[in-house]
Amino acid sequence: DAGVTQSPTHLIKTRGQHVTLRCSPISGHKSVSWYQQVLGQGPQFIFQYYEKEERGRGNFPDRFSARQFPNYSSELNVNALLLGDSALYLCASSLLSGQPQHFGDGTRLSIL
Amino acid sequence: SQQGEEDPQALSIQEGENATMNCSYKTSINNLQWYRQNSGRGLVHLILIRSNEREKHSGRLRVTLDTSKKSSSLLITASRAADTASYFCATELDTGRRALTFGSGTRLQVQP
Repeated sequence: DAGVTQSPTHLIKTRGQHVTLRCSPISGHKSVSWYQQVLGQGPQFIFQYYEKEERGRGNFPDRFSARQFPNYSSELNVNALLLGDSALYLCASSLLSGQPQHFGDGTRLSIL
Repeated sequence: SQQGEEDPQALSIQEGENATMNCSYKTSINNLQWYRQNSGRGLVHLILIRSNEREKHSGRLRVTLDTSKKSSSLLITASRAADTASYFCATELDTGRRALTFGSGTRLQVQP
């Protein structure tokens, strides 16, 4: 079975632009979460979606938004990019609460 | 903010030695999970221990959990060069939310 897939793998943007990152969960997984990992740190929770509804939001500004589609894939949108948004963005899917999360390899976003 | 904090931040050992990493957290949890991350890649789930469990084994991995001290440890026995990676503990809070709160990680270097 295919794991969690994310696209694109790398992206370079300039300040003020917006970006859309995409994630396809493992087949059968209805929960998708997004994390931001800055170099040298652990991942930080951004959003969680289950059955197309937002179930949790981390401490990120309103420039960050996400949605989940009927096929359970998800998009993360970031507007008005700042230099500090440069990071590895990770998507994870899981079957149920209390079960391990399965991570994709992430999208490396660089802001110039 | 980081819920879990790993100790040490970095660890260098010889192949065949055991590696022990510790994690402390602040609030009540549903479970605690350990993940591994190779440079620039996504996270790979290693082991999950629930709040009512004290010890768990998986192959060369042994995890302990002390909820009274809000701490956990990961022991890797007979380490191999291929174990070189960053290791993160992550807590799932008992609020029902599926988001994980990660620590800052331990960078393990296993010298051949």
